[in-house]
Amino acid sequence: QKEVEQNSGPLSVPEGAIASLNCTYSDRGSQSFFWYRQYSGKSPELIMSIYSNGDKEDGRFTAQLNKASQYVSLLIRDSQPSDSATYLCAVNWRGSQGNLIFGKGTKLSVKP
Amino acid sequence: DAGITQSPRYKITETGRQVTLMCHQTWSHSYMFWYRQDLGHGLRLIYYSAAADITDKGEVPDGYVVSRSKTENFPLTLESATRSQTSVYFCASSESRGDYGYTFGSGTRLTVV
Repeated sequence: QKEVEQNSGPLSVPEGAIASLNCTYSDRGSQSFFWYRQYSGKSPELIMSIYSNGDKEDGRFTAQLNKASQYVSLLIRDSQPSDSATYLCAVNWRGSQGNLIFGKGTKLSVKP
Repeated sequence: DAGITQSPRYKITETGRQVTLMCHQTWSHSYMFWYRQDLGHGLRLIYYSAAADITDKGEVPDGYVVSRSKTENFPLTLESATRSQTSVYFCASSESRGDYGYTFGSGTRLTVV
């Protein structure tokens, strides 16, 4: 059973705080992991990719991967109201020939 | 325009009618995908294509038909639209099946009445 699980939220954080978004997946063979941001009424936008265990930083965003625990996370430092969106976790799925499988997303709300 | 474009942006159709959603990309990406997004289900793969004239079913292919005669175009046809096909449809493209992530078009909001 292919599964990519995320808390649906909403996750509410104050402006300037760290937002922590989590994702678990069930395919141990997955090799590529992605975070997408989707504003209401818009299409998903790729913001982070990670392929090996550890942390990957890009500006205010940090992706963390732990393959042993089958866990991916996204940290957003100094959260801004413009970060309010739904964040989708995506994992390439060997069982589906490597196509991406998406979680249902976590809705983040950053309060001024 | 460079990128991936979908048309129309909005479409209302009646039950039983055939409707085609268009997708065009200018990057010459080999892979193209059709997803539908519904509340409570997230993004679900309908069909994908690895190259011109090569297509395959995804998770929810029933009621849909695709073709890919040219690398840049990947139309999705609902042969006889049903209310359950009311959804937001996203086309995406990529250089690979899943190694680099996908780039999505702006979407088509389809309502079947």
